[in-house]
Amino acid sequence: DIQMTQSPASLSASLGETVTIECRASEDIYNGLAWYQQKPGKSPQLLIYNANSLHTGVPSRFSGSGSGTQYSLKINSLQSEDVASYFCQQYYNYTFGAGTKLELK
Amino acid sequence: EVQLVESGGGLVQPGRSLKLSCAASGFTFSDYAMAWVRQAPKKGLEWVATIIYDGSSTYYRDSVKGRFTISRDNAKSTLYLQMDSLRSEDTATYYCARHRLGADYFDYWGQGVMVTVSS
Repeated sequence: DIQMTQSPASLSASLGETVTIECRASEDIYNGLAWYQQKPGKSPQLLIYNANSLHTGVPSRFSGSGSGTQYSLKINSLQSEDVASYFCQQYYNYTFGAGTKLELK
Repeated sequence: EVQLVESGGGLVQPGRSLKLSCAASGFTFSDYAMAWVRQAPKKGLEWVATIIYDGSSTYYRDSVKGRFTISRDNAKSTLYLQMDSLRSEDTATYYCARHRLGADYFDYWGQGVMVTVSS
């Protein structure tokens, strides 16, 4: 099975800052990767699919990139409403990364 | 507006059964594959099962194979998860999720329902 390693586990950043979260797959997943945001007490929401495509209604400050085994989610100009946990998910056996908890500094 | 509303959760003893339901609205349910994804308290997300649009094929994670059954009633726009022989490690919030059409990620999620397996 393909394993996903997500980093960092937690992250503290200031308003307006740019943050990057990474996921590494144990083998090539050919851009078969999605990113989700989960706010405290809420269900996950799709942000990015196919590694770099923005889901409908997601602010353009979110972007995804990567290829092969290495992928990243970038949040430009961090807003207070971005405080959440973020998860990557690869398509091949629906495995999720362990998550990154993003807090405000 | 796409809506997915889960029900049927609760407290159940180990070894017993529970059936979850997910009522869908705002889209043509019979066109989409559907899934259950769970999240243990303070833990990450874990895919449980998927059923294709017409119910003719189902897929499960290894740890629930033979114990859980995913099914659907397209006439009622409802997804189900029958959970038998429950274990303490099945304790989690269970989310109903819609597969993006023809894709292997989830574009809409329900609010979740809690299942606690404990004596």
